[in-house]
Amino acid sequence: AQSVAQPEDQVNVAEGNPLTVKCTYSVSGNPYLFWYVQYPNRGLQFLLKYITGDNLVKGSYGFEAEFNKSQTSFHLKKPSALVSDSALYFCAVRDSIGNTPLVFGKGTRLSVIA
Amino acid sequence: DVKVTQSSRYLVKRTGEKVFLECVQDMDHENMFWYRQDPGLGLRLIYFSYDVKMKEKGDIPEGYSVSREKKERFSLILESASTNQTSMYLCASSPHDRGEKLFFGSGTQLSVL
Repeated sequence: AQSVAQPEDQVNVAEGNPLTVKCTYSVSGNPYLFWYVQYPNRGLQFLLKYITGDNLVKGSYGFEAEFNKSQTSFHLKKPSALVSDSALYFCAVRDSIGNTPLVFGKGTRLSVIA
Repeated sequence: DVKVTQSSRYLVKRTGEKVFLECVQDMDHENMFWYRQDPGLGLRLIYFSYDVKMKEKGDIPEGYSVSREKKERFSLILESASTNQTSMYLCASSPHDRGEKLFFGSGTQLSVL
């Protein structure tokens, strides 16, 4: 069975500082990993994904994520946070084996303080 | 631009009413999904469909049914609405390739009184 965990409900960071939002996963085969962001009263927007290849994936709005197979993690990062990055972030995983849909984490609320 | 459209942004219904939530995508995607989002619980999958007239139960199908008569439209039905179905409902679609991302609608905030 596939699962994903976001260990932090809330992350606070000062504007201009680097940010990290954590995600760990569990799958039987190889993982297909995704990050989505949700701004207030909006649907989810795709940020980036890892399917195969380079462990460092670059996405929208200056975000990147690092795939670490040994630690089964896919943490979201940004070198310099903006107040406008404040939102709800979801990690999601899908197993390469079988045909099950994407499973989402519970979300991490990021607050960037000016 | 790609679009997933949910028919209502806000909906208020009474307990026991039959409720229809409509979702239409214009991208010719094979896959469509219904999730509900609740604070602290993230997104939970209710039903999904990988083809027209096909449906599969997700993690929390109880109290819901779905219909997919046409490729572009996926309807979620609450047979007899209850207060514990008050939630944000999100529709999504994707191409068949499992590595492809999901495209989400803006959501329907349903309140059952």
